[in-house]
Amino acid sequence: KNQVEQSPQSLIILEGKNCTLQCNYTVSPFSNLRWYKQDTGRGPVSLTIMTFSENTKSNGRYTATLDADTKQSSLHITASQLSDSASYICVVSVPAAGNKLTFGGGTRVLVKP
Amino acid sequence: EPEVTQTPSHQVTQMGQEVILHCVPISNHLYFYWYRQILGQKVEFLVSFYNNEISEKSEIFDDQFSVERPDGSNFTLKIRSTKLEDSAMYFCASRIQDFFGPGTRLTVL
Repeated sequence: KNQVEQSPQSLIILEGKNCTLQCNYTVSPFSNLRWYKQDTGRGPVSLTIMTFSENTKSNGRYTATLDADTKQSSLHITASQLSDSASYICVVSVPAAGNKLTFGGGTRVLVKP
Repeated sequence: EPEVTQTPSHQVTQMGQEVILHCVPISNHLYFYWYRQILGQKVEFLVSFYNNEISEKSEIFDDQFSVERPDGSNFTLKIRSTKLEDSAMYFCASRIQDFFGPGTRLTVL
C-alpha cells in the first residue's frame, strides 16, 4: 500500500531558528513529491514540487531535498517566522492512479517568539 | 493571482439530507479534484475529473457521492444522503493540484 510517513508529528521552535522536517514514502514509482503548507482550517498551499530526478528545490526560506534511492525527503525552514506556524505536509503524486495525491499526516510546527 | 474558490465556507446539515458543495476552479484548467480531511486526520483523495467525466475515484467515493460540472465553470460535489461520518473539510483542487480551494467545512448532525 502506498504510504507517506512524516516525522516529527509536531515541533516547537523559537523564532529565528531553523528546523528540518522528515518524510519517508513507499510510493514507487511517483510523478513528483510535494511539500504543502496548511494553516488551520485552510486549504493546502504548495511550497515545492520535485520530480524523482531532482535532489533539491528552494522556495524562499523553504528548501526541500529528495533522495529517491532511500525514498526520503526533507523540508528545511530557515530563520523561522511566527507566520511559519502551520502544518507541513509531504505529498506524493502517483502516476498509475491518475496522478492523485497521497498525503502524509503532516508535521505541526509552532514558532514561538 | 488566480485562485480556486469554494462555497459555502461552512455547511451544517441533518443526517440523511442532500448537500451540494460548490467549487469554481481556475479558468482554463482541465483537471479537477475533490479531497476531504476529517478533523485531525490526513487529507484523502475522493475523485478526479477530466473532460467532463470521472477519471479516478477512491473507495470513499461510493454511490452516495457524485460530481458535476454543470455550466463549464462550477464544479460540484453532491452527497445524496449525508452520514455523521461525512463531517469533514472538503477541498477542491484544479490543474495538477497546485491549487487548492479554501475548503468547505461540512458538519452533519
